[in-house]
Amino acid sequence: DAKTTQPPSMDCAEGRAANLPCNHSTISGNEYVYWYRQIHSQGPQYIIHGLKNNETNEMASLIITEDRKSSTLILPHATLRDTAVYYCIVRVATTDSWGKLQFGAGTQVVVTP
Amino acid sequence: EAQVTQNPRYLITVTGKKLTVTCSQNMNHEYMSWYRQDPGLGLRQIYYSMNVEVTDKGDVPEGYKVSRKEKRNFPLILESPSPNQTSLYFCASSLGTNQPQHFGDGTRLSIL
Repeated sequence: DAKTTQPPSMDCAEGRAANLPCNHSTISGNEYVYWYRQIHSQGPQYIIHGLKNNETNEMASLIITEDRKSSTLILPHATLRDTAVYYCIVRVATTDSWGKLQFGAGTQVVVTP
Repeated sequence: EAQVTQNPRYLITVTGKKLTVTCSQNMNHEYMSWYRQDPGLGLRQIYYSMNVEVTDKGDVPEGYKVSRKEKRNFPLILESPSPNQTSLYFCASSLGTNQPQHFGDGTRLSIL
């Protein structure tokens, strides 16, 4: 699976949009981009995933560049409860590896009042 | 409520005393997995199972066993725990390929 690069930390003001970048320059055509977050030692929580097109759900939006070498997770109106470590993961969905999620170090996001 | 349930949540035990961490999901998911999380090393996969009676090793399987006799349950067994297995453990499940994984709340194990 392709490796990802994320900034180690970022701050965001409450109520503002948080834009979390992720580089995955070696991504293959059949690899999906997933985002999870982990709030202080709780179980990781799925946020969103996509292959090529931009995606939006009730939690966030995912913007994937046309060449798919990078993506951005957008939390539209950050709240204090969004303070967490955010993980960007790319993985191929084949029978052999569909279950493996390789978590990197992630981005520690701190939302401040 | 759809959930992945792990028990116990916390356990302090001694080297060599066999222990089992249970994991149960109520979503009829085919896929289940165990991870451990250690400071500086992130989350690493121990074992996973794609269906009943089908299990496979993840990245760090040494010292662990699993079984998948029923779809809903995926226990993690430490036959002879050692201090280097002190860690935070997570169980996860998903419906299938490309589906998001749902994680339990974690089990913090301390092996003295």
